[in-house]
Amino acid sequence: DTAVSQTPKYLVTQMGNDKSIKCEQNLGHDTMYWYKQDSKKFLKIMFSYNNKELIINETVPNRFSPKSPDKAHLNLHINSLELGDSAVYFCASSQEGGSQEYFGPGTRLTVL
Amino acid sequence: GENVEQHPSTLSVQEGDSAVIKCTYSDSASNYFPWYKQELGKRPQLIIDIRSNVGEKKDQRIAVTLNKTAKHFSLHITETQPEDSAVYFCAASTGGGADGLTFGKGTHLIIQP
Repeated sequence: DTAVSQTPKYLVTQMGNDKSIKCEQNLGHDTMYWYKQDSKKFLKIMFSYNNKELIINETVPNRFSPKSPDKAHLNLHINSLELGDSAVYFCASSQEGGSQEYFGPGTRLTVL
Repeated sequence: GENVEQHPSTLSVQEGDSAVIKCTYSDSASNYFPWYKQELGKRPQLIIDIRSNVGEKKDQRIAVTLNKTAKHFSLHITETQPEDSAVYFCAASTGGGADGLTFGKGTHLIIQP
């Protein structure tokens, strides 16, 4: 059983396009996250969300937006893609903030 | 916001020897400190975590120590094996709500046969 899943696994697109990455967790967790891992392997939180609050890392451009249709899903929408957006994006979930986070398999985004 | 520093960036040890990775954090409100292992092309996976009300935690060959006063925590791996080769990340969180993890920059651990 896959605890946290993401689609697609790979995403190759042109600059200026709009794309989405989907994330689903079947752990019954209340909190979900999006992280960006750059080419130097640095992991940085982008968003964290539960049904009460959305926390946005101040360094994230407003071209990025999370959308949660329900508690089990947190999708990532990216508008007007730029070369610098190329990275691996990980979704994660936990029961609450400050507890074990389970990561999805990652989505490798390449912007040409 | 929180800032987590991690050292060294690369660590090479002989198989069977011990490895130690150190991290410091800046936010005294942080109270949850996990360590993640990431193999090439894979997702980060939790290997051990510690909360601020505990000074040390051990799980077989892996241990973590926490010094709240000095705001630093360390990962200790004993009797290293080839499968321990990976990138290790420390992280910190203030906990509660929707607070996520602030990660260190990672340590590439290489186990020499």
